[in-house]
Amino acid sequence: RKEVEQDPGPFNVPEGATVAFNCTYSNSASQSFFWYRQDCRKEPKLLMSVYSSGNEDGRFTAQLNRASQYISLLIRDSKLSDSATYLCVVNNNDMRFGAGTRLTVKP
Amino acid sequence: DVKVTQSSRYLVKRTGEKVFLECVQDMDHENMFWYRQDPGLGLRLIYFSYDVKMKEKGDIPEGYSVSREKKERFSLILESASTNQTSMYLCASSFHRGLNTGELFFGEGSRLTVL
Repeated sequence: RKEVEQDPGPFNVPEGATVAFNCTYSNSASQSFFWYRQDCRKEPKLLMSVYSSGNEDGRFTAQLNRASQYISLLIRDSKLSDSATYLCVVNNNDMRFGAGTRLTVKP
Repeated sequence: DVKVTQSSRYLVKRTGEKVFLECVQDMDHENMFWYRQDPGLGLRLIYFSYDVKMKEKGDIPEGYSVSREKKERFSLILESASTNQTSMYLCASSFHRGLNTGELFFGEGSRLTVL
């Protein structure tokens, strides 16, 4: 079983839609969790951390469920510029990435 | 700005050749990582290092080795390249505390083709 699993998508949504991604992890000792964004032919960049209590950054909401070992990312009011691949990252002193979920926002 | 520089953007090598991929960071980061990225598989961790002369295996270390003789430089070595090592290789670095903030800084990647 892979340590970090994501639905690869693709998710194709219209502008203004709300879209959610989930990610599950296998190591219950994992310490911290993050979402990264990767644009086509670019390197990944940190989007946001994921805290146990849930956290928001503008249109983006991240949540962590330690009991069920999954994290989620919710994007509200999708913009064309949100089109990218979203990668979840699980850290147990080793920063392991999921395979990524491809999102395309269409006009 | 943090800068992580990978020595080559594109390389073409033949099966059996020894390949060196170099990565240098200029922010005195303790941690350095090598990943490979393949379609549908995402980034897979090959090796990482927390300090000079220190290395830890990631998920897929077979066929690779690493060297960290200086803090700023982390090299990935393919002793005998094979076609299944054709991939995009990404180097990243972070401060030690960056593991808790998630702040990995990536290089632009090295696309290796093994013929």
